[in-house]
Amino acid sequence: RKEVEQDPGPFNVPEGATVAFNCTYSNSASQSFFWYRQDCRKEPKLLMSVYSSGNEDGRFTAQLNRASQYISLLIRDSKLSDSATYLCVVSPYGGATNKLIFGTGTLLAVQP
Amino acid sequence: DTAVSQTPKYLVTQMGNDKSIKCEQNLGHDTMYWYKQDSKKFLKIMFSYNNKELIINETVPNRFSPKSPDKAHLNLHINSLELGDSAVYFCASSQEVKALSGNTIYFGEGSWLTVV
Repeated sequence: RKEVEQDPGPFNVPEGATVAFNCTYSNSASQSFFWYRQDCRKEPKLLMSVYSSGNEDGRFTAQLNRASQYISLLIRDSKLSDSATYLCVVSPYGGATNKLIFGTGTLLAVQP
Repeated sequence: DTAVSQTPKYLVTQMGNDKSIKCEQNLGHDTMYWYKQDSKKFLKIMFSYNNKELIINETVPNRFSPKSPDKAHLNLHINSLELGDSAVYFCASSQEVKALSGNTIYFGEGSWLTVV
């Protein structure tokens, strides 16, 4: 089983749609969780951290369910510029080191 | 100014050659990394240095040798290149060693290595 699993997609959605990505992780000791965004042929960039209580940043909402070892990202009112690969990222070492485990990413294509 | 810069951006080379990729960060960060992203887009850490000291060394062939002359630089040297080494190599840096929510990792633009 992969340490971080995501549906690879692609998710093809029209502008204005709401889309949700899911991610599961295998190491129950994982402490830090993130969503990164990677545009085609570009480097990954931090989109948002994920907190236990859930957090929101504009149109983006992230949720964490530790019991189910499940992370989600919700994008409301999708824009063309949201088209990218969304990477679920987990740090399994409880803060001892900054070793990030990346999922393989979910490709989002927002259509006009 | 580019925060994390790596060179070259594109590199095409023959099997058996030795090549280096250089990385520099101007963010004043203490920790630097090398990640590899393969053809399936899977991004995996190779090495991590904190203040010039190696702290993460994943299962990477000995042909890969990182060098950190100072905390702002982390170079990657690869000996006897193989076809399977073809990938995108990302350098990155962060302020802290710990994976805290506020400790963002900043990636360079990547170096596309093709071994023929």
